[in-house]
Amino acid sequence: DAGVIQSPRHEVTEMGQEVTLRCKPISGHNSLFWYRQTMMRGLELLIYFNNNVPIDDSGMPEDRFSAKMPNASFSTLKIQPSEPRDSAVYFCASSLKARGLATSTDTQYFGPGTRLTVL
Amino acid sequence: EDKVVQSPLSLVVHEGDTVTLNCSYEVTNFRSLLWYKQEKKAPTFLFMLTSSGIEKKSGRLSSILDKKELSSILNITATQTGDSAIYLCVATRGSQGNLIFGKGTKLSVKP
Repeated sequence: DAGVIQSPRHEVTEMGQEVTLRCKPISGHNSLFWYRQTMMRGLELLIYFNNNVPIDDSGMPEDRFSAKMPNASFSTLKIQPSEPRDSAVYFCASSLKARGLATSTDTQYFGPGTRLTVL
Repeated sequence: EDKVVQSPLSLVVHEGDTVTLNCSYEVTNFRSLLWYKQEKKAPTFLFMLTSSGIEKKSGRLSSILDKKELSSILNITATQTGDSAIYLCVATRGSQGNLIFGKGTKLSVKP
């Protein structure tokens, strides 16, 4: 299994530019999570999808952030316009939430992350 | 407000030492507690704990959950330089299994 795939691995952009981060979850997983990691705040959940439907986006910092999951194998996180304070590592994770297997569905598998630097 | 607190924040030991990392949580509708190891990349899964008092082991690593004390410990025996990493404690809650992350303990193992 290839694991969770994210692209790009690194991105450096200028303030005001649009940034699109991409994620391919593990095949067969039906939940997908976007996280942001900074030294100050640690790992923060931004949004998560279950069966391609956004369930909780309360962690999305502001309207400049948007996320989509058009199908079970692909998701994007977009920042428009980007700002220097958006600089962070963005992780995508996936898991399998199977009805009736409550205790087996909490493990999330993380992608390698995208290191974003906004100048 | 739900929270997960880890201690210490940072730890430096020598190879061969045994370390204990602590995690306490205050989480409504608690489901499980997870430990992750994060090196210079994404977190990798170590353990999931759901039952109190049952130790889980993987090689030199072991962990146990105490639901009465709302805490968990992660033990690493005979540490190696490859154990150097940030160890994340994560609580899950509710029917959706939402994750609440601790800030992590940075472990440095010196040769």
